[in-house]
Amino acid sequence: QITLKESGPTVVKPTQTLTLTCTFSGFSLRTSGVGVGWIRQPPGKGLEWLALIYWDNDKRFSPSLQSRLTITKDSSKNQVVLTLTNMDPVDTATYFCAHRLHMELQFDYWGQGILVTVSS
Amino acid sequence: DIVMTQTPLSSPVTLGQPASISCRSSQSLVHSDGNTYLSWLQQRPGQPPRLLIYRISNRFSGVPDRFSGSGAGTDFTLKISRVEPEDVGVYYCMQVTHFPWTFGQGTKVEIK
Repeated sequence: QITLKESGPTVVKPTQTLTLTCTFSGFSLRTSGVGVGWIRQPPGKGLEWLALIYWDNDKRFSPSLQSRLTITKDSSKNQVVLTLTNMDPVDTATYFCAHRLHMELQFDYWGQGILVTVSS
Repeated sequence: DIVMTQTPLSSPVTLGQPASISCRSSQSLVHSDGNTYLSWLQQRPGQPPRLLIYRISNRFSGVPDRFSGSGAGTDFTLKISRVEPEDVGVYYCMQVTHFPWTFGQGTKVEIK
């Protein structure tokens, strides 16, 4: 059974760096083809893909946020960490992590999400 | 970036009646491997998104067969053959053929 759970601060101040951790079970990030991605959703709005890390440490980022984003993995701890620098109120959103099995099955399992509010 | 445009944005439906959502991409979603990586997600109120359909028409594990997907190239459709109460929510198309991956704006399905 695949599960993912996001953790991190729920409130950050403008200009601070957000660090979110996705802790997962039921799969290994050492398995060929597997990946973990991050997606966010501002309150009452749609979904925005942010980043993806693959089993082989290849990474992809949204071009609009690439300069502010970092994604890393710790396969031994079953964790993926996303950092977003220079937070702004427009970054207020629910942040989800999701599992990727292979090219066909992207984001087949999702975490519950964590609402992050940017406010001074 | 590929723009995904969904219509309608809101779909009031009578229980037991069909519903249909269209998704159009700004460019072809055919991958260099010949496949088309268009997915549909359902987001019930207060819940994370859930994968319904992948690669245009393949139902994910546990998805009822009243959900079906079709289309090709730049035009895709999600159909619910008979809407049930648990189908209320927002439906998103998502393309994972070309980076950056992008989503449609979402279509809200509600009961009349």
